Amino acid sequence: GAVVSQHPSWVICKSGTSVKIECRSLDFQATTMFWYRQFPKQSLMLMATSNEGSKATYEQGVEKDKFLINHASLTLSTLTVTSAHPEDSSFYICSAWGGGTDTQYFGPGTRLTVL
Amino acid sequence: GESVGLHLPTLSVQEGDNSIINCAYSNSASDYFIWYKQESGKGPQFIIDIRSNMDKRQGQRVTVLLNKTVKHLSLQIAATQPGDSAVYFCAVPKGAGGTSYGKLTFGQGTILTVHP
Repeated sequence: GAVVSQHPSWVICKSGTSVKIECRSLDFQATTMFWYRQFPKQSLMLMATSNEGSKATYEQGVEKDKFLINHASLTLSTLTVTSAHPEDSSFYICSAWGGGTDTQYFGPGTRLTVL
Repeated sequence: GESVGLHLPTLSVQEGDNSIINCAYSNSASDYFIWYKQESGKGPQFIIDIRSNMDKRQGQRVTVLLNKTVKHLSLQIAATQPGDSAVYFCAVPKGAGGTSYGKLTFGQGTILTVHP
């Protein structure tokens, strides 16, 4: 089946620094990827849609200058949390659409802790 | 806007019992529904989906029922096993068709605990 990976799986950073999270589709091309955020004991919330070769579209309430998304190839999208603060600590999950089955596949998630 | 909710945040069952997890949705125009399983520290795993032209769909040990009249769907797990312990989410696409199906609104989740 289609596989989506994320790197790193967890990261701890100091407040004010920036963190980049990678999402890769390993065995298929994904023109569209999605980024979700999940706080502890809560549901997933869609942050943005990442389109290969074009600007990402952000959901209402998500700061595009805070969460930079780049989808430079058909297998890679990156999410950069800029000037991270403790309230950005969360589980970030990406998904990739494609694989010829008209469905999406989720990555394993990245746990971000901002001190 | 779309909202998806669950009636029970936690469900505890004995191994071998059948489990039923419920979900309510608000948009009567929704035409596609998905159930996901999420184990601790992992991403969601697809379980089963159903389109609005159906009211029942079965998979391996799982059945999804859709009642469009009351905007409710349920996930039934037969002969629940300890490995089924996880959080279960229903999800509904924000848009219609193609990759818009990837923009999901998730329900609040139900924690299923299966006791041996």
